Amino acid sequence: EVQLVESGGGLVQPGRSLRLSCAASGFTFNDYAMHWVRQVPGKGLEWVSGISWNGGSMGHAVSVQGRFAISRDNAKNSLFLQMNSLRAEDTALYYCAKDLGSGSYFAFDAFDSWGQGTMVTVSS
Amino acid sequence: EIVLTQSPGTLSLSPGERATLSCRASQTVRSSFLAWYQQKPGQAPRLLIFGASTRATGIPDRFSGSGSGTDFTLTISRLEPEDFGVYYCQQYGNSPLLTFGGGTKVEIK
Repeated sequence: EVQLVESGGGLVQPGRSLRLSCAASGFTFNDYAMHWVRQVPGKGLEWVSGISWNGGSMGHAVSVQGRFAISRDNAKNSLFLQMNSLRAEDTALYYCAKDLGSGSYFAFDAFDSWGQGTMVTVSS
Repeated sequence: EIVLTQSPGTLSLSPGERATLSCRASQTVRSSFLAWYQQKPGQAPRLLIFGASTRATGIPDRFSGSGSGTDFTLTISRLEPEDFGVYYCQQYGNSPLLTFGGGTKVEIK
């Protein structure tokens, strides 16, 4: 059974940094692309970042480009999101999601498994 | 960036009725790389349809997807009580920039 467990969320001041982690199990992690998706409570979904199976292809939403960086450690079956220069509008529940495919050559696919999310609150 | 517009915002229906949800893209979605997700309160989204019309593993055949280009539809042939929730479309044809629609809430009438 696929399991994705996010951690690292919390309350942080504007302008500060935070690093989210996602621990994966139940599948061959290094075969699949992975993503971060966020959701403001009561609002819709927003794709944040995606990374191919080997980290060779990455993408970030325009709203986070230059501030957020996605990475992965295949030896540890882990996905990360480094969030810098945080703003109030980054406040959301952050989900880790598994891609249906490998993501090679920037070819992402739909997301067939999701974690339960970790909440990030940016406030002074 | 491809903008996805979902309509209607809310659909009020009774169990047993047919639900038709629309997703319109601001530009052509390459190779019909469009997915549909269902989300219930307090839960993570669940993949229903990918490639515009392929049901994901374990999804009942009352769910069907259709469309191409800029216009896509999710149809639920006969609503079951567990089908009520919010439905999102997502395009992944413009990789690596993926986008979601704003969602359609299907509620009990």
